[in-house]
Amino acid sequence: QVQLVESGGGVVQPGGSLRLSCAASGFTFNTFVLYWVRQAPGKGLEWVAYIKSDGSGTFYTDSVKGRFTISRDNSRSTLYLQMNSLRAEDTALYYCTKSVYQGGDGAFDLWGRGTMVTVS
Amino acid sequence: EVVLTQSPATLSLSPGERATLSCRASQSVVSYLAWYQQKPGQAPRLLIYDTSNRATGIPARFSGSGSGTDFTLTISSLEPEDFAVYYCQQRYSWPPITFGQGTRLEIK
Repeated sequence: QVQLVESGGGVVQPGGSLRLSCAASGFTFNTFVLYWVRQAPGKGLEWVAYIKSDGSGTFYTDSVKGRFTISRDNSRSTLYLQMNSLRAEDTALYYCTKSVYQGGDGAFDLWGRGTMVTVS
Repeated sequence: EVVLTQSPATLSLSPGERATLSCRASQSVVSYLAWYQQKPGQAPRLLIYDTSNRATGIPARFSGSGSGTDFTLTISSLEPEDFAVYYCQQRYSWPPITFGQGTRLEIK
């Protein structure tokens, strides 16, 4: 079954840390770029981070640069988001997604159900 | 940063009617524009990518068009399950990848 399953969310105090995980199955994980996208309660979608298929390149939205780190373990088909120095404005449902294109960036064609992060 | 402005914010229509949703970019995104549908409590679902390509499993009543700065998502005949929030997204000039603020399609 083709799916992404996020975990690791929870309630954390401002300044704290969390590590999100996203387990993938049903597709050749190591050939797709991956992304994290978040959605604050009642708000729209916000792209957070990107990682190349081999992990050699990453990009972040400005508000998380220096605080969040995206990484992947292709041997475990798992994507990660290490979140440090968390702020109230990081409170959101965090989704992992994959590119529609094999080997390059593209629209997000597969989404997990999300994991909720609350900073309070 | 490319700003995407969606209009209208809310669209009230009846099943069977045609829906036309607009997305305008603050600068050209060429054809690198996608559309997503999101229902309450669910993850977004990719409908259209690169302006006009339907994603896997998306019904033919959904179509996308446009280029440069002006894009349209058309739903030819609304089904009850189509009432949701729709987002456009660009991936031409990034980072950051940006989304529009969404259009809520509601039952009239």
